Amino acid sequence: GAVVSQHPSWVICKSGTSVKIECRSLDFQATTMFWYRQFPKQSLMLMATSNEGSKATYEQGVEKDKFLINHASLTLSTLTVTSAHPEDSSFYICSARATGYGYTFGSGTRLTVV
Amino acid sequence: QKEVEQNSGPLSVPEGAIASLNCTYSDRGSQSFFWYRQYSGKSPELIMSIYSNGDKEDGRFTAQLNKASQYVSLLIRDSQPSDSATYLCAVNDSNYQLIWGAGTKLIIKP
Repeated sequence: GAVVSQHPSWVICKSGTSVKIECRSLDFQATTMFWYRQFPKQSLMLMATSNEGSKATYEQGVEKDKFLINHASLTLSTLTVTSAHPEDSSFYICSARATGYGYTFGSGTRLTVV
Repeated sequence: QKEVEQNSGPLSVPEGAIASLNCTYSDRGSQSFFWYRQYSGKSPELIMSIYSNGDKEDGRFTAQLNKASQYVSLLIRDSQPSDSATYLCAVNDSNYQLIWGAGTKLIIKP
């Protein structure tokens, strides 16, 4: 079956620093990658959609200069949270989509900014 | 505004009984419908996908879709304590983005 690997699974960083989260599709080529954020007791909130080789499309209210998304290949997408602040603490989840594979989710990254 | 509505619960069901989860959606153009299970602190896990009207069964799970009523449901037979989780309904739009419901928290009581 389709597998998406997401790393790290958790990270603690100091306020003002940057954090990179990787999302890899291991056994298929992802047409599209989606990045979500989930706060406690809330549903998933789509942050951005990215297609390989093109700029990500950000949802309204998501700062593209703060949440940098790179989708350099069909198997790798990265999300960098720049100048992180405590309010950025959340559960970040990537999802990869490809024809015939549907939507496959990574295991998520718990980010805590102190 | 495309919306997916779910009762947030919690829905409490005795072990061994049938759990019934419901979802309505607003976009008549939606073609693909998904049920995900999410345990606390974990990523969503696909339970069922359904694309055409009617029922689709997979083990203890049955998804039901009624496009005329814009309604999709998930039945869990012989509920087990391990089924206790939040169940998320998701519907895709024309851009292949998933529109998510808020989720229903299901509690299976032993």
